[in-house]
Amino acid sequence: GENVEQHPSTLSVQEGDSAVIKCTYSDSASNYFPWYKQELGKGPQLIIDIRSNVGEKKDQRIAVTLNKTAKHFSLHITETQPEDSAVYFCAAPHNTDKLIFGTGTRLQVFP
Amino acid sequence: KAGVTQTPRYLIKTRGQQVTLSCSPISGHRSVSWYQQTPGQGLQFLFEYFSETQRNKGNFPGRFSGRQFSNSRSEMNVSTLELGDSALYLCASSLGQGGIVGEAFFGQGTRLTVV
Repeated sequence: GENVEQHPSTLSVQEGDSAVIKCTYSDSASNYFPWYKQELGKGPQLIIDIRSNVGEKKDQRIAVTLNKTAKHFSLHITETQPEDSAVYFCAAPHNTDKLIFGTGTRLQVFP
Repeated sequence: KAGVTQTPRYLIKTRGQQVTLSCSPISGHRSVSWYQQTPGQGLQFLFEYFSETQRNKGNFPGRFSGRQFSNSRSEMNVSTLELGDSALYLCASSLGQGGIVGEAFFGQGTRLTVV
């Protein structure tokens, strides 16, 4: 069946530290893995994505890594700032044409 | 370029009533997906429309329905509202070409409260 597991559900870090969120997926045909950031009162915003033909992608302080063999992918945020505090969702496609989301990680960055 | 627009932002309805929510996708996007977001269940997929046709459907009862117009705008309808339907309803638009998932952009959502 379709399933995306996300851990941890909550994460607290000190400003300047790194944060890592991990997801596993079940559909071996999945080939696109986006990450979304949702701030209070807003819809999820796409922050980075990766396709299955690469193992890592970086965009300034955020990076995503993908291990297709193990069927897991991770979001890495370095040098965290208070404005990084939000709920983060991973997602993976099922049957190639609909996105299934993880349950979310609430990240809190303390000054 | 305008983003995804959802109306209304907030809605309060009584149990048993029905409700219609609207979503205008990004210009040029032909795929619109709807999600229900609740604190306990996260983002649950409702359905997806592409070129006025429902392409995918989630595991929700028949009280939840939708449609898409020729200009790609989409509506979802919930009939015979129940207290458990209280949630944030989000729509996401994407190019949707070739049936392959690509970048999806969300609206701000409609917060529905059923009393």
